[in-house]
Amino acid sequence: ETGVTQSPTHLIKTRGQQVTLRCSSQSGHNTVSWYQQALGQGPQFIFQYYREEENGRGNFPPRFSGLQFPNYSSELNVNALELDDSALYLCASSLVEVPGEAFFGQGTRLTVV
Amino acid sequence: GNSVTQMEGPVTLSEEAFLTINCTYTATGYPSLFWYVQYPGEGLQLLLKATKADDKGSNKGFEATYRKETTSFHLEKGSVQVSDSAVYFCALRGGGNYQLIWGAGTKLIIKP
Repeated sequence: ETGVTQSPTHLIKTRGQQVTLRCSSQSGHNTVSWYQQALGQGPQFIFQYYREEENGRGNFPPRFSGLQFPNYSSELNVNALELDDSALYLCASSLVEVPGEAFFGQGTRLTVV
Repeated sequence: GNSVTQMEGPVTLSEEAFLTINCTYTATGYPSLFWYVQYPGEGLQLLLKATKADDKGSNKGFEATYRKETTSFHLEKGSVQVSDSAVYFCALRGGGNYQLIWGAGTKLIIKP
């Protein structure tokens, strides 16, 4: 098992810019989910991908988008960054057959200034 | 909608004390319930889970019982150690829905 890895670990962007965050899933996992975690709060579900298609989405606007690649790695893209987008972004991989049991990366800390 | 409420932290205990972290939920149907833990500098890890009423999840000395009548899933441990210091999150997954709904987390500090 290689675990879930995310890159970069920290990032500073300017309001209005675009950002791409990357995630490499645990070997054998077919599902990737992304979460946003504000300081002192629990994670908020952004969306989930299974077999390269989005199959679930939380209450986030369309400027949050993603991709899942055949090797189960994933990207989260955020356009037109806002100050409130500053947060820890978490990637989680899992098996669709075992929902809820997710393996998390350490996250990317995004700061929008 | 579905939601999870956890007791506010931080919770500070001495080593070998008994631990309870309260978690209650609101959900339609029959959700699955989870406790995740985040140790300093590490990613979230699944600690234990329960998928139906009266199930007891257990791991590393921690236990939690799915109580449908009180909509609760309290986390307990009989004797905590300094190494248990972490942030603990209660979460649920509603039936037919893949996303996890999370509580705000409870920071646990264990003093030697």
